[in-house]
Amino acid sequence: EAGVAQSPRYKIIEKRQSVAFWCNPISGHATLYWYQQILGQGPKLLIQFQNNGVVDDSQLPKDRFSAERLKGVDSTLKIQPAKLEDSAVYLCASSLDGQPQHFGDGTRLSIL
Amino acid sequence: AQSVTQLDSQVPVFEEAPVELRCNYSSSVSVYLFWYVQYPNQGLQLLLKYLSGSTLVKGINGFEAEFNKSQTSFHLRKPSVHISDTAEYFCAVTLGAAGNKLTFGGGTRVLVKP
Repeated sequence: EAGVAQSPRYKIIEKRQSVAFWCNPISGHATLYWYQQILGQGPKLLIQFQNNGVVDDSQLPKDRFSAERLKGVDSTLKIQPAKLEDSAVYLCASSLDGQPQHFGDGTRLSIL
Repeated sequence: AQSVTQLDSQVPVFEEAPVELRCNYSSSVSVYLFWYVQYPNQGLQLLLKYLSGSTLVKGINGFEAEFNKSQTSFHLRKPSVHISDTAEYFCAVTLGAAGNKLTFGGGTRVLVKP
């Protein structure tokens, strides 16, 4: 079975620019998650989708971050404008109902 | 709210020696517990999980963990490590179903020396 696909793998931008990440979950997985992993820390949940609805976005900085999953399959996460503290790895994960999550390889974002 | 503490940020260990990675959690309700491994420039891979039943859980790559409810711990062990076990290990908890959002510890970096 194909895993969770993420692109790009790496992105370098300057502060105040915008950036978008893409995630394609495992086929049939209704639940999709975006995590932020700052260097030296564990991942932190940004947003959780169930199909195309948001389940939890309590830790998403909504003034600059947005995410969508319009057709309940793939998802995009956007940052606009980026700040230096947004430098991190952004991980996408997906799961079947009640099952453990499967993670993609992440997008490493560097802000100059 | 639940939280996870991994007591060691780094654990150096010689090849073929045993290793134990400590994890403690806090939660006012029952939790599900997980250990994930992250190799450089990769995502997280599930090593093992505790959902219910036997408190000794066996996972992939020879790892096992023991759930101790009274001590709120879920320590990970391997009796003999290989160079390829060099990676970062994360303990995580979730409430309700195993597919709910994960709360991670800060990670333990294992460096296996020849």
